[in-house]
Formats: sequence, C-alpha cells, structure tokens
Amino acid sequence: KAGVTQTPRYLIKTRGQQVTLSCSPISGHRSVSWYQQTPGQGLQFLFEYFSETQRNKGNFPGRFSGRQFSNSRSEMNVSTLELGDSALYLCASSLLSDTQYFGPGTRLTVL
Amino acid sequence: DQQVKQNSPSLSVQEGRISILNCDYTNSMFDYFLWYKKYPAEGPTFLISISSIKDKNEDGRFTVFLNKSAKHLSLHIVPSQPGDSAVYFCAASDNTNAGKSTFGDGTTLTVKP
Repeated sequence: KAGVTQTPRYLIKTRGQQVTLSCSPISGHRSVSWYQQTPGQGLQFLFEYFSETQRNKGNFPGRFSGRQFSNSRSEMNVSTLELGDSALYLCASSLLSDTQYFGPGTRLTVL
Repeated sequence: DQQVKQNSPSLSVQEGRISILNCDYTNSMFDYFLWYKKYPAEGPTFLISISSIKDKNEDGRFTVFLNKSAKHLSLHIVPSQPGDSAVYFCAASDNTNAGKSTFGDGTTLTVKP
C-alpha cells in the first residue's frame, strides 16, 4: 500500500497570507490527524477528521482549520499567517484511530 | 501541563549495547502508548506500541515496557546499531479521544560505531 502523502513538501509564504496543505491518507484509512512540529518541540495536535467530520481539536487559534473529503483526503488551512506558524506540518492516518502512520510533512516557512 | 514527558533530550550509546529511552505520563486516561522514530526532514515512523492491558511488548530488537502504577514506559533497543540514530518520540492516547495522540518532546539517540 502507498503511504501517507503530503503536498507540497516545502512552502514559503509571507506574513498575512493564507496557505492550504493537502494530505492523502493510506488507502482504507478514514481517520486523518494533523500535527505541528516546531524546532525543539514535540508534535502538537491540531485536529482529527473521521468520515468528513472533525472529531477532535487541539488548542490552536481559529486561524487553523481543516476539512476532509469523501475520499478521506484532508486539507489544512492557515489564514493570516504569522512568523510563529513556521513549522513542519505532519499529517497522520489511521484505520481505527489507534496506530497513526505519518506522511513526510510539509515544511512551511513564513517570512 | 505537559502530559507526556521525555526527560532526556539526548542519549549516546555504543554500538552493540542496550539503548533505554524513557517516558513518563500524567494522564491516567491514557490506555495506548506508541514509540516513533524520526529522521530529519521525514515524518515519524511507527516503531512499536503497547496497550494498557499489557506490561511488555516485543518486536525484534525493540521492546516496550509499561509500568502503569508509575505511569512510566520505556523502549529498549538491543543490540543498538548506528542506523538507530534518530529522534525517538513517545506518544499516548485514550479511547475517548481517538485519533489524538499526545507526544513527548523526543529523545535524540546517537549510536556510536
């Protein structure tokens, strides 16, 4: 089976812009979760989608949003970008919401 | 309040010896624990997991031990190999928050030849 894929792999934006990141889960996986990793930090949970519904949400401001499509692909959107949003954004999929399998991540740089 | 803690930011061991990575948690609702390995510029790779109904799970060179009373788990790698050098993350989840894992900050393991 193909693994989790994320596009784009690298992105450079400026403050105030918005960005959309995409994630395609492993075939058959219905749960998709998003995490943010900043330098020196562990992974911080953003949100989880299951069957097109947001099932869990972390402690991030409303500028961070997401959605899931009927084919389980998910997108994450960040509006009004701030310098502190520069991070590696990781998507993970799971079959039964237990073991999560991660994609390679999207490295976002905000200038 | 950090619910999952990896108190050692780094660990260095000699090739062939045992590597022991430790993790502590505070949330008694956690019932599923995982270890991930991460190389730079890649996403974390699942290594091994353990359910709270067990106290040990073994997979090849990797063994995870869970001490529920102490809220502590550890990952043992025997024998350690240079290719094991990476950042190791401990993660925990509970069945009431499916799809959300809480991660520690990671331990950088260096295995010297």
